[in-house]
Amino acid sequence: DSGVTQTPKHLITATGQRVTLRCSPRSGDLSVYWYQQSLDQGLQFLIQYYNGEERAKGNILERFSAQQFPDLHSELNLSSLELGDSALYFCASSPYSGGGQETQYFGPGTRLLVL
Amino acid sequence: EDQVTQSPEALRLQEGESSSLNCSYTVSGLRGLFWYRQDPGKGPEFLFTLYSAGEEKEKERLKATLTKKESFLHITAPKPEDSATYLCAVQALSHNNDMRFGAGTRLTVKP
Repeated sequence: DSGVTQTPKHLITATGQRVTLRCSPRSGDLSVYWYQQSLDQGLQFLIQYYNGEERAKGNILERFSAQQFPDLHSELNLSSLELGDSALYFCASSPYSGGGQETQYFGPGTRLLVL
Repeated sequence: EDQVTQSPEALRLQEGESSSLNCSYTVSGLRGLFWYRQDPGKGPEFLFTLYSAGEEKEKERLKATLTKKESFLHITAPKPEDSATYLCAVQALSHNNDMRFGAGTRLTVKP
């Protein structure tokens, strides 16, 4: 158990809908990272928040957004969902702001299925 | 373009048959190389971090090594419970220190 929690575990929705995924980092960690893992793309970095502020952006679509709240939990919002958004979404956390040399600890993931 | 390439894609071993997994990378300004283990449908589980060429780390039957261009994950006398996908990731200045993952090696250990 990494100490990172994610809810829900599974989510089934329809195309065009909007969903929110939630992540609570390990106690004391200030950074939260979001990743998407699909069969054909592997594990792809989406976005990082550090202490409430956006820190880095990866391959995140404009239809996706995230935020980190004062209690450090984070939410990933996915809108106008398409079939291709079906994937596992992982959250990871680390103690600091990034900049390399920082181990990230991953949560159990949310499996999203768009029908 | 920065790349992280893992080989082989899949590896089948008999219990007790030692082997190595490879992770080669082409980045500038390596900050860290990370190994994770991932079971189906689960989140990646952290194994090792390596920071500089020549560094080695060990944990039970696993040993990770790092050179300037690649890393190896050596598995000694594997057991069926070592079956998983092993992921390699790098953080480097050339891609803003984002964690960039390889596609993984799917290891199966038969009893």
